[in-house]
Amino acid sequence: EVQLVESGGGLVQPGGSLRLSCAASGFTFGDYEMHWVRQAPGKGLEWVACITQDGSAKYYVASVKGRFTISRDNTKNSLYLQTNSLRADDAAVYYCAKDFDSWGQGTPVTVSS
Amino acid sequence: QAGLTQPPSVSKGLRQTATLTCTGNSNNVGNQGAAWLQQHQGHPPKLLSSRNNNRPSEISERFSASRSGNTASLTITGLQPEDEADYYCASWDSSLSAWVFGGGTKLTVL
Repeated sequence: EVQLVESGGGLVQPGGSLRLSCAASGFTFGDYEMHWVRQAPGKGLEWVACITQDGSAKYYVASVKGRFTISRDNTKNSLYLQTNSLRADDAAVYYCAKDFDSWGQGTPVTVSS
Repeated sequence: QAGLTQPPSVSKGLRQTATLTCTGNSNNVGNQGAAWLQQHQGHPPKLLSSRNNNRPSEISERFSASRSGNTASLTITGLQPEDEADYYCASWDSSLSAWVFGGGTKLTVL
């Protein structure tokens, strides 16, 4: 059974940083492109970033370029999202997803002073 | 970053058929296809159909996806109460080198 478990969310002040993690199990992690998708309270889904199987290519939504960094460790079956210079509009539940066919439960990020 | 266009809401009766639409352009839906996701309140999304219109084995045959030009469609037949949810489309945009999502359609089953 595929399992994706996010962690690392929490309350952070504007301008602060968080490192989100996603622990994967139940599939060959290194065979799949992985995504981060977020959902602000009461809003729709917004794709944030993705990374290819070997980590050689990374893509981002325009609003996070230069502030967020996606990475993965295939030896640890883990996906990461380093979020810097956080703003109020970054507040959301952050989901990791495998090829969009499997999703974690999400980790909430709150940006407030 | 331009997204895909979905109607905010659709209402249909029990056992009727609903067709949800998702409009993009030739950089995304027109040449890349669209995936469809279902999300119930308080739960993570679930994939209903991949970009090439393949349905995961665990998804009911009542859900089918198609595409015509720059518009993708999700048809749900024999509507059931549990089909009441938010539905999102997503596509790779080759000009943006990014995935784009639609704003979502809230389906109400009357």
